Amino acid sequence: GQQVMQIPQYQHVQEGEDFTTYCNSSTTLSNIQWYKQRPGGHPVFLIQLVKSGEVKKQKRLTFQFGEAKKNSSLHITATQTTDVGTYFCAGIKGSNYKLTFGKGTLLTVNP
Amino acid sequence: DGGITQSPKYLFRKEGQNVTLSCEQNLNHDAMYWYRQDPGQGLRLIYYSQIVNDFQKGDIAEGYSVSREKKESFPLTVTSAQKNPTAFYLCASSTALTVGELFFGEGSRLTVL
Repeated sequence: GQQVMQIPQYQHVQEGEDFTTYCNSSTTLSNIQWYKQRPGGHPVFLIQLVKSGEVKKQKRLTFQFGEAKKNSSLHITATQTTDVGTYFCAGIKGSNYKLTFGKGTLLTVNP
Repeated sequence: DGGITQSPKYLFRKEGQNVTLSCEQNLNHDAMYWYRQDPGQGLRLIYYSQIVNDFQKGDIAEGYSVSREKKESFPLTVTSAQKNPTAFYLCASSTALTVGELFFGEGSRLTVL
């Protein structure tokens, strides 16, 4: 079945350092979404990417969708303690309406 | 405020008992979903529904059942047939099955003793 692999599983950074998490699919995705889950909380939608090669920015966050629509990345510039949490990617393949989530990357930030 | 309400937030049950988790939304969303989350794992889809009186199995439906009698409500029953029911359960909704973001409830943490 469709799998979405996400790496790394954990990332610990010093405040101010950059952070990147990568998402790879075994099949072409029609779109990809990113969510953030704070410790003890529920996932909150960040963004959706639809077009091949798409790049979107939200303040210090940059999201990319690969040209082949099989991979995506989330980059955070100059991390802050408020960035702590687990970042999930989730993809949809074609007409398959099931959103498949990666296992997430847990980001911790040392102040 | 519009949103998704899950209850109870914490639930303890003895092995062999069925448990029903409530999920209510006032966002007027057509699609609703149930996910299971285990430590270090992503979210795995249990069931989803795109319209009243219709629902489909997700990737891990065995041992679970749902109903969708009202647009606002999508309760999940964890039956005694579910071999490892202790987990964090998340309900979500979206405007339609194919469109846009999922809005999640705050989750229900089930512990089976």
